[in-house]
Amino acid sequence: EAQVTQNPRYLITVTGKKLTVTCSQNMNHEYMSWYRQDPGLGLRQIYYSMNVEVTDKGDVPEGYKVSRKEKRNFPLILESPSPNQTSLYFCASTPKGAPYNEQFFGPGTRLTVL
Amino acid sequence: RKEVEQDPGPFNVPEGATVAFNCTYSNSASQSFFWYRQDCRKEPKLLMSVYSSGNEDGRFTAQLNRASQYISLLIRDSKLSDSATYLCVVNQVYNFNKFYFGSGTKLNVKP
Repeated sequence: EAQVTQNPRYLITVTGKKLTVTCSQNMNHEYMSWYRQDPGLGLRQIYYSMNVEVTDKGDVPEGYKVSRKEKRNFPLILESPSPNQTSLYFCASTPKGAPYNEQFFGPGTRLTVL
Repeated sequence: RKEVEQDPGPFNVPEGATVAFNCTYSNSASQSFFWYRQDCRKEPKLLMSVYSSGNEDGRFTAQLNRASQYISLLIRDSKLSDSATYLCVVNQVYNFNKFYFGSGTKLNVKP
């Protein structure tokens, strides 16, 4: 089944404790993105990747890191989480090509930072 | 100013009604336009792309007005299952992997 998976789905952590949210897609898509969703603000792009070893900042990259060592994986790293990073996070992948290509989203990771 | 703006609603309509949502975007360089549907904090899923000439998919019709920089979605014969939040999405001509989402319009279809 073609899909984007994220782990963990739910996480409660404390300020300053490094964490990684994994994202993996099995559709051989070139493009991948991370978003956060907050009430009233919609989805905001954190980072995106055009291909292996090619990443760029989205609109809200502060406090986050990413890496793209393999085409299928795009982990999101919070080196020192803070309460303002409490949010719902989505990973998405898109095939390369025409601009009307669909984004496929993972099921989301609900993160709470205490 | 936000890149994409939508009326948050909620729009409460009876089954069978026709309902329309608008979305405005601020950057005239926007190239591609989409409507996504999101159910109760689940992942967004593509409802339809929006083409320059407008397009229809069953009960759903999408229109683009570049001059006024807005996109519309019309839903005819609303079903209970149409209850969801509808997200307007645009991306830019110079980087079509950079997407901007509206905050969504909530639709409640009542029996």
